Amino acid sequence: DGGITQSPKYLFRKEGQNVTLSCEQNLNHDAMYWYRQDPGQGLRLIYYSQIVNDFQKGDIAEGYSVSREKKESFPLTVTSAQKNPTAFYLCASSSGLAENNEQFFGPGTRLTVL
Amino acid sequence: AQSVAQPEDQVNVAEGNPLTVKCTYSVSGNPYLFWYVQYPNRGLQFLLKYITGDNLVKGSYGFEAEFNKSQTSFHLKKPSALVSDSALYFCAVREPLTGGFKTIFGAGTRLFVKA
Repeated sequence: DGGITQSPKYLFRKEGQNVTLSCEQNLNHDAMYWYRQDPGQGLRLIYYSQIVNDFQKGDIAEGYSVSREKKESFPLTVTSAQKNPTAFYLCASSSGLAENNEQFFGPGTRLTVL
Repeated sequence: AQSVAQPEDQVNVAEGNPLTVKCTYSVSGNPYLFWYVQYPNRGLQFLLKYITGDNLVKGSYGFEAEFNKSQTSFHLKKPSALVSDSALYFCAVREPLTGGFKTIFGAGTRLFVKA
């Protein structure tokens, strides 16, 4: 999983609660991403950030929020507005948004809403 | 919009036999194609990519992929499968967006290698 850490590995949330997933990288990468993985659907992009203090919505941003105050960190908050948050969440980074840049992934956080 | 399709949900192969995991794509310009592998409860790992040049791309763990422009395919191959190759494989294509590119992933193909 390279130099990307995600915590916690498992997270349980009651309905109506906000929760924050941590993502840290020591690869000195500029770009960071959050994906949601559901069975049979591949990965869907939630948010991405090209540089510190800047981030953009992906394909399924509703009910999620992010911040990018430091280059190494890109936390994701799952808010109570997210209707179906139970999923496996993956953080990734790359050296930039160029077309030939592969992504490096963290180990993931499995979120379950009780 | 660009897209990628993995027509097989699951591929079964015996250890020692060659394996192929299929991928087809749809792009409006030059394709940038990737393969990633995911082991259970883990993040994805990069295997290989095609950007330009030689149609046969070699990657990690003995995997290779062949870019075929006329068939718009980028199939993943390995001459001799190992039980440890059993995992979920994702094909991906890069799509332009403002200021850069984003990655579109296929739905994934689960590979089972039987001893």
